[in-house]
Amino acid sequence: GQQLNQSPQSMFIQEGEDVSMNCTSSSIFNTWLWYKQDPGEGPVLLIALYKAGELTSNGRLTAQFGITRKDSFLNISASIPSDVGIYFCAGTYNTNAGKSTFGDGTTLTVKP
Amino acid sequence: DTAVSQTPKYLVTQMGNDKSIKCEQNLGHDTMYWYKQDSKKFLKIMFSYNNKELIINETVPNRFSPKSPDKAHLNLHINSLELGDSAVYFCASSHWGQGQETQYFGPGTRLLVL
Repeated sequence: GQQLNQSPQSMFIQEGEDVSMNCTSSSIFNTWLWYKQDPGEGPVLLIALYKAGELTSNGRLTAQFGITRKDSFLNISASIPSDVGIYFCAGTYNTNAGKSTFGDGTTLTVKP
Repeated sequence: DTAVSQTPKYLVTQMGNDKSIKCEQNLGHDTMYWYKQDSKKFLKIMFSYNNKELIINETVPNRFSPKSPDKAHLNLHINSLELGDSAVYFCASSHWGQGQETQYFGPGTRLLVL
């Protein structure tokens, strides 16, 4: 089945630093998604990418859909303490009836 | 207004018991999901329903039985609970068709089996 490798597993950064995380897959996806999970809450969608090569921003967040359709990255610029949480990538393929395969998550800690 | 709500938020029970978790969404979506998040935070889909019809049924023990009385509700009943069932269970919902990959998650139900 499809598997997603997300890296790094965890990051400890200083407030104000930029962050980069990525996801790679053994097979192609038609859609890449990035979610954030705050402690004690459910994941919340940050960015959705629908076309290979697409680069999309949401405030300080920027994500790209890889040309090969097998990877995606998420950048966070000028991190702030509320960026703390777990970031998940997810990929879907049309024939999977909405089934999203999730990466293992990147846990981000931001030190003030 | 809560978009996707789950009850209860916490559930502590003994091994062997039967328990149910309820989920409701007021987003007008026609597809709902159950996910399990283990202690390592891995998020795995268990089931999905579209218009009350079971669409996805991953390799889940048949002690887990989802039920969708209508498009806005998806409940999860678990029989003969085991220690390994301890996890956070998330409900989610989406549209069917274009945009179905964009899912809205509930706050989770933290299940602890003793």
